[in-house]
Amino acid sequence: GDSVTQMEGPVTLSEEAFLTINCTYTATGYPSLFWYVQYPGEGLQLLLKATKADDKGSNKGFEATYRKETTSFHLEKGSVQVSDSAVYFCALSTLGGTALIFGKGTTLSVSS
Amino acid sequence: DVKVTQSSRYLVKRTGEKVFLECVQDMDHENMFWYRQDPGLGLRLIYFSYDVKMKEKGDIPEGYSVSREKKERFSLILESASTNQTSMYLCASSLPRGVQPQHFGDGTRLSIL
Repeated sequence: GDSVTQMEGPVTLSEEAFLTINCTYTATGYPSLFWYVQYPGEGLQLLLKATKADDKGSNKGFEATYRKETTSFHLEKGSVQVSDSAVYFCALSTLGGTALIFGKGTTLSVSS
Repeated sequence: DVKVTQSSRYLVKRTGEKVFLECVQDMDHENMFWYRQDPGLGLRLIYFSYDVKMKEKGDIPEGYSVSREKKERFSLILESASTNQTSMYLCASSLPRGVQPQHFGDGTRLSIL
């Protein structure tokens, strides 16, 4: 079945460091891909999305490119801030499915 | 902005009680979802609904039921609460196609003693 695998955390970085969180997927058909972020004590918020191969989603300095050939959707940010500390979830959705399939989440901790 | 409101942020109940978790959305979304979130397991889908009075089982429906009598409201019911249902419960809603993003509430942290 469809699945999402993302790197295990926690990821600990200093402020202004470069961030990569890896995400790969397995899906039949052509999924849409999402990154969600969960700040402490809150629900999930959509961070960015991409709906077809080679699309790049971006928001708040974060970027991810839909790579069909490597079935990946890695999240990157050039310079992280303390306020980026959160749990990040990669997810996919296919036209044949209504619900999202989530990865297990990666905790990011940024220190000043 | 879409607003998904869960009735309680924290809830403490006893084993064997019948527990109701309520969720309301204000954007006329057809789809609504209940997930539970546990450390190391991510989010797992319990039930979802694509229309009033319609429901579908997710990955872990055992021990739960749902009710959707009105489009804006989706209730999760723990028929007889058990300690292994202690968790964070998240409600979400979306437009009716799978490629649409889901909008989440802030979650209910439920403890069963």
